[in-house]
Amino acid sequence: KQEVTQIPAALSVPEGENLVLNCSFTDSAIYNLQWFRQDPGKGLTSLLLIQSSQREQTSGRLNASLDKSSGRSTLYIAASQPGDSATYLCAVPFSGGGADGLTFGKGTHLIIQP
Amino acid sequence: NAGVTQTPKFQVLKTGQSMTLQCAQDMNHEYMSWYRQDPGMGLRLIHYSVGAGITDQGEVPNGYNVSRSTTEDFPLRLLSAAPSQTSVYFCASRPGRYNSPLHFGNGTRLTVT
Repeated sequence: KQEVTQIPAALSVPEGENLVLNCSFTDSAIYNLQWFRQDPGKGLTSLLLIQSSQREQTSGRLNASLDKSSGRSTLYIAASQPGDSATYLCAVPFSGGGADGLTFGKGTHLIIQP
Repeated sequence: NAGVTQTPKFQVLKTGQSMTLQCAQDMNHEYMSWYRQDPGMGLRLIHYSVGAGITDQGEVPNGYNVSRSTTEDFPLRLLSAAPSQTSVYFCASRPGRYNSPLHFGNGTRLTVT
C-alpha cells in the first residue's frame, strides 16, 4: 500500500528566505505526483503536477522536483512571503490498481513571519 | 467560473439521522470523488466516479452512498450518521485524463452528536 510522508510537519521562517519541503513515497510505480496548498477552512489548490517522465516543474517562485527511483519529491519556494503561509500537501496515485484516487501526506504547516 | 461547489458549508446531525452532501462542478469533468479529512489521518478517499452512471469505492466507503446521474453532480449520502463520521468532507474533480490536476471544493464541515 502506498504511503506518503512529509517532512517537516511544521516550519516557521522569516520572510524572504528560500525553503524546501520534502515528500517521500513508498511505491515508486507512480505516473505523477501533485503538490497542493490548503488555506485554513478552505479546500486544496493544486500548485504543481509532475508527470513520471519529468524531473521537475516550475510555476513562478515554486519549483517541484521528482526522483521516482528514490521515492522523493521536493517543493522549493523562493523568496518566501507572508502570503505563502498555508499547509502544503503532496499526493501520489494509489498503488496496485484498484481505487482511482490519491494518497496524501499529512502536510507541512508553513508560517512565514513578516 | 464556479469550479467545484459544495453545499452546505456546515452541518450538525444527531446520531442516526441521514443527509446528503451536495457537490456540483461546471468544468465538464469526467472524474469526481469524495474525500474526508481528519486530524492526524490526512485525506482519505470515500467514493469516486469516472463518468455518469459509474461509481466505485475508495478506501473508506462504509456508511456512505453515492450516485452519478449527470456529469455535473456527485452527491454523497450518509445513511445513518455516526459520531465517527464527524469530519470535513471534500469533493474533487478532474478531466478524465490521469495526468490532470485535481480541483477541490471548499468542503463541508460535518459534526455528528
